[in-house]
Amino acid sequence: KQEVTQIPAALSVPEGENLVLNCSFTDSAIYNLQWFRQDPGKGLTSLLLIQSSQREQTSGRLNASLDKSSGRSTLYIAASQPGDSATYLCAVPPYGQNFVFGPGTRLSVLP
Amino acid sequence: NAGVTQTPKFRVLKTGQSMTLLCAQDMNHEYMYWYRQDPGMGLRLIHYSVGEGTTAKGEVPDGYNVSRLKKQNFLLGLESAAPSQTSVYFCASSQSWGQPQHFGDGTRLSIL
Repeated sequence: KQEVTQIPAALSVPEGENLVLNCSFTDSAIYNLQWFRQDPGKGLTSLLLIQSSQREQTSGRLNASLDKSSGRSTLYIAASQPGDSATYLCAVPPYGQNFVFGPGTRLSVLP
Repeated sequence: NAGVTQTPKFRVLKTGQSMTLLCAQDMNHEYMYWYRQDPGMGLRLIHYSVGEGTTAKGEVPDGYNVSRLKKQNFLLGLESAAPSQTSVYFCASSQSWGQPQHFGDGTRLSIL
């Protein structure tokens, strides 16, 4: 059974710092890997999708990498801003199965 | 563009009562999902649908029923609510399997 973990569980950084969030999964037979953002009291918003054949994907200040062989993905946020404060979740759909979500990393960017 | 809309946003029930949560999407998506989110447990799939008239069980289906009579709507029913069903319920939709899911803002449900 696919299991997804995220480290750290919470992170607090001053505005302007570059930061890395980590996602690990146990079964490398994944279709893709997705990163979501969840604001307090809201649903999830899709940020990035990396196909299993890709190594990385970029959107603005966000860059996500994927290493299937080691079962890891990282989300890099450049020049963090207070508006980036949210919980970030990764999710993997194993082939033929539904999404498995990680528990999330709660990020606080301090002004 | 509304996306995924969930009603109600909040509800308090007594043990044993029944209720239905409604999810509506306006993106003509084939797939729809119901999740629950609990502290320390993350998001867990309750039921899902791969098209109008179809439903399937997810990871935690016990105590819930669903129906998808129209493509744009996915209903989640609790026949006899229990305190263990206190949670935040999210509906999501996607065009196909493995594609990004679009989420509603959730229904916060408390069972006393």
